[in-house]
Amino acid sequence: GDSVTQMEGPVTLSEEAFLTINCTYTATGYPSLFWYVQYPGEGLQLLLKATKADDKGSNKGFEATYRKETTSFHLEKGSVQVSDSAVYFCALSDQFDSGGGADGLTFGKGTHLIIQP
Amino acid sequence: KAGVTQTPRYLIKTRGQQVTLSCSPISGHRSVSWYQQTPGQGLQFLFEYFSETQRNKGNFPGRFSGRQFSNSRSEMNVSTLELGDSALYLCASSLDGFQETQYFGPGTRLLVL
Repeated sequence: GDSVTQMEGPVTLSEEAFLTINCTYTATGYPSLFWYVQYPGEGLQLLLKATKADDKGSNKGFEATYRKETTSFHLEKGSVQVSDSAVYFCALSDQFDSGGGADGLTFGKGTHLIIQP
Repeated sequence: KAGVTQTPRYLIKTRGQQVTLSCSPISGHRSVSWYQQTPGQGLQFLFEYFSETQRNKGNFPGRFSGRQFSNSRSEMNVSTLELGDSALYLCASSLDGFQETQYFGPGTRLLVL
């Protein structure tokens, strides 16, 4: 079945540091890829997405590029802020799974990011 | 536009009881999905409803069930609660399904004692 692998952390960085959170996936079909963010006590918010190879999703200074050859969707930000502290989830949606239908979003375990001032 | 709302936000139940959680999707959204979030298993897909029909189902026992009403509001029910059912239950809505942006509610935190 489909799966998503990401570093779990916690990842601790200083303000203005460069951020990379790795995400790799396995999928039966040709999935859409997503990054979601969860702030304490809240639900998930979509951060960015990409639906085909070489697409780059971007939002709020975060970027991720859909790399089909390496089955990866790494999240990057050039200069993090304290307000970026949250849990980040990589996810995929595979319309053509082995069962012939969609099985919801498949999530990674989440990466807890802590930004220190 | 109002976001996805879930009620109640917190619940405490005892083993063997049953519980019903409610989700109101964003207006115009026809797809509602439910997820269970636990520290050990992470986020796991429960089921999806579309136009009052269950369209997809994850690998959960039959104690977990749901339904969707004509106004797209959805409920999920868990019967014969077990300690392991303690989790954050998240509801997500979208216009038509998983290939589109899923908008999540704040979740219902269930504690089973």
